[in-house]
Amino acid sequence: DAGVTQSPTHLIKTRGQQVTLRCSPISGHKSVSWYQQVLGQGPQFIFQYYEKEERGRGNFPDRFSARQFPNYSSELNVNALLLGDSALYLCASSWEQGKLFFGSGTQLSVL
Amino acid sequence: GNSVTQMEGPVTLSEEAFLTINCTYTATGYPSLFWYVQYPGEGLQLLLKATKADDKGSNKGFEATYRKETTSFHLEKGSVQVSDSAVYFCALTPLSGGYQKVTFGIGTKLQVIP
Repeated sequence: DAGVTQSPTHLIKTRGQQVTLRCSPISGHKSVSWYQQVLGQGPQFIFQYYEKEERGRGNFPDRFSARQFPNYSSELNVNALLLGDSALYLCASSWEQGKLFFGSGTQLSVL
Repeated sequence: GNSVTQMEGPVTLSEEAFLTINCTYTATGYPSLFWYVQYPGEGLQLLLKATKADDKGSNKGFEATYRKETTSFHLEKGSVQVSDSAVYFCALTPLSGGYQKVTFGIGTKLQVIP
């Protein structure tokens, strides 16, 4: 079975640009969550979507947005990029409370 | 709010040594507790979990017991191997249906030397 897939794996952007990250969950998983992992830190919760509805939002500015599609895949958008947005962005899908299956992440570098 | 505190690494052990990584938490109610592991170059994987007080989660020789009285969930392994070298994250999630916010600790890097 395919795991959680994320694209692209690496991305380099400049300040002020916009970026879209994509995630395909494990087949049958209806919940998708996004996390930001800064080097040397634990992942920080950004969003959770379940059945195309936003179920939770972390302490991130409105520059961060996301959506989930009918096939349960998801996109994370970040506008007006800042240097501090440089991080590994992780997508996780799940069918059971707290039991997350993570993708390998998208490494975003903002120059 | 919810938070997880775990010992900072790196932790360096010789092969076959005993491992303990401490984790304490702050949360309202009775959260579910987890240990996730991140091997070099790979994504996070669930290692073990416990959903109520006194539950013991175990997997691959690792164990952790949900201690409500001390709000702790320490990770232990009796004999570590070089292949256990990774970053270990303690985590919790509130006990509420449909809401999957997982709060992670800072991570503890374990290095096992032959």
